[in-house]
Amino acid sequence: DSGVTQTPKHLITATGQRVTLRCSPRSGDLSVYWYQQSLDQGLQFLIQYYNGEERAKGNILERFSAQQFPDLHSELNLSSLELGDSALYFCASSVDSSWVYEQYFGPGTRLTVT
Amino acid sequence: AQTVTQSQPEMSVQEAETVTLSCTYDTSESDYYLFWYKQPPSRQMILVIRQEAYKQQNATENRFSVNFQKAAKSFSLKISDSQLGDAAMYFCAYRRDGGSQGNLIFGKGTKLSVKP
Repeated sequence: DSGVTQTPKHLITATGQRVTLRCSPRSGDLSVYWYQQSLDQGLQFLIQYYNGEERAKGNILERFSAQQFPDLHSELNLSSLELGDSALYFCASSVDSSWVYEQYFGPGTRLTVT
Repeated sequence: AQTVTQSQPEMSVQEAETVTLSCTYDTSESDYYLFWYKQPPSRQMILVIRQEAYKQQNATENRFSVNFQKAAKSFSLKISDSQLGDAAMYFCAYRRDGGSQGNLIFGKGTKLSVKP
């Protein structure tokens, strides 16, 4: 158990819908990262937050957005869902952005768009 | 942009034997960090080993060791005395040094099977 929690574990929804994925980082971790794992694209970085502020953006679609709240939990919002958005979405957390601190991954949320 | 390439989609090893997984990367940076992550069927991402590019000594963690060749931009993972529990997807990952951006760049992965 990494200490990072993600809810829900599984999510099945229809095209065009909107969903919210939630992540609670390990206690004391300020930095949260979102990654998408799909068969086509592999594991790719979406977005990073540090202590409530956006720090870096990767290959995140405009239909996707995220935020980190004062209690440091983070939410990833996916809208106008398409079949290709079906993937495993990971959240990872670390103390800060420094390399010396390991990124601890949550168990992931499996999103299926039908 | 940095890229990570794992040229072996699948590998197989006999229990108790040694296997080496390959990884190459492309970067113009001189300081960076490299990682191997394991993803078993449970889907959990687990850090196996990490290497700082400025260190010439290869990292070792119990049965896991790396062969880091900076000039060749190669970072292979050697698993000794393979165990059934080593069966998983293995991802090589890169992280740049410095700055506030700590995201990882992953390769496509290598699926390792361990035969009893």
